[in-house]
Amino acid sequence: QSVLTQPPSASGTPGQRVTISCSGSSSNIGSNAVHWYQQLPGTAPKLLIYINNQRPSGVPDRFSGSKSGTSASLAISGLQSEDEADYYCAAWDDSLNGLWVFGGGTKLTVL
Amino acid sequence: QVQLVQSGAEVKKPGSSVKVSCQASGGTFSTYAIGWVRQAPGQGLEWMGGIIPIFGTSNYAQRFQGRVTITADKSTTTAYMELSSLRSEDTAVYYCARASLPAAMSNWFDPWGQGTLVTVSS
Repeated sequence: QSVLTQPPSASGTPGQRVTISCSGSSSNIGSNAVHWYQQLPGTAPKLLIYINNQRPSGVPDRFSGSKSGTSASLAISGLQSEDEADYYCAAWDDSLNGLWVFGGGTKLTVL
Repeated sequence: QVQLVQSGAEVKKPGSSVKVSCQASGGTFSTYAIGWVRQAPGQGLEWMGGIIPIFGTSNYAQRFQGRVTITADKSTTTAYMELSSLRSEDTAVYYCARASLPAAMSNWFDPWGQGTLVTVSS
């Protein structure tokens, strides 16, 4: 059971806009930034969005992130077949000595 | 450009230990946290712990306390994760990842190593 809650799956057709939600609590998303990772099949996770809504260089502006209170979301517009991947949200949690918590991941299917 | 290269796949017996290495190149090593994240087959990502080499102190997720040891060798810019008392549920891909900003464990991870598959089987 992951600390952050994501829907297990999402889907869309090419060109559509999809959103993936991520819900947490006051000790993680409520007090720290949210980051998103993309994991293509058989590869290591790759940073997609950092500090809620910042894109690393090389990440298309079709990807955007937002955060409000204890929830966050990732939006992908102009969906493309190469966007088919697993997406994970992550946040630092201030519990105990501090730890990283992840969402369970959302498998995005491009129909 | 920082690159993390991990050691190769391992097959271990239940009850034994495994030590996975993660060598960093192309950037500063000592002041950036290295974290370890594992992914069981078909499952999500789970943080195990991390270390900031210049401080030499490690931080572990509670569920791995007592079973995991994370160390770093500044001279070879290599971090290590050792997991003991292995059981079948520890079968997973283990990733190292470097924090994006120095001096804190709480900075997001970028880049990641390629992953090391550890299989625990009798």
